[in-house]
Amino acid sequence: KQEVTQIPAALSVPEGENLVLNCSFTDSAIYNLQWFRQDPGKGLTSLLLIQSSQREQTSGRLNASLDKSSGRSTLYIAASQPGDSATYLCAVLPSYNTDKLIFGTGTRLQVFP
Amino acid sequence: NAGVMQNPRHLVRRRGQEARLRCSPMKGHSHVYWYRQLPEEGLKFMVYLQKENIIDESGMPKERFSAEFPKEGPSILRIQQVVRGDSAAYFCASSLDSYGYTFGSGTRLTVV
Repeated sequence: KQEVTQIPAALSVPEGENLVLNCSFTDSAIYNLQWFRQDPGKGLTSLLLIQSSQREQTSGRLNASLDKSSGRSTLYIAASQPGDSATYLCAVLPSYNTDKLIFGTGTRLQVFP
Repeated sequence: NAGVMQNPRHLVRRRGQEARLRCSPMKGHSHVYWYRQLPEEGLKFMVYLQKENIIDESGMPKERFSAEFPKEGPSILRIQQVVRGDSAAYFCASSLDSYGYTFGSGTRLTVV
């Protein structure tokens, strides 16, 4: 059974720091992995999607890596800003069942000025 | 493209009433998924539908919950005889295929 874990559960940093958020999954048979951002009381915004054959994806100050064999993904946020404050969710799409995403419980990030 | 539209954004129901949550997928998307986020928990899959078909409902509670995606109109998640434990955020997502999901803003259901 696929399980997704995210650490840390919460993170508070000063503005300008570079951050690494971690996601681990127990079964390497994945179709893709997606990082989302969720603002309080709001929906999910897709940040980056990495296919199983890819090693990383980049968008602006965000970089996500995928190491399928070790069951890990990291989301790197460069030069953090207060506007980055949100909950970051990692989700995997198992290759044996592409009907459903399996989510981690998220990392709640606060960037203070 | 308006994205995935969910309504209402907030819904308050008394115990025993019915809740109806609506989701219109992105234009061109024929796959609709419903997820539930309980307070302080991660999102959990409920059901996957295509037009007029339920493909996978393995995450749906066996009683009181049903979902449909008719040929015309939005997908509907229906919860009958709601209880306090049904209070949660319900998210709908759509996809063209399994390449990537687009989520709506969710419906926050509060049962009083």
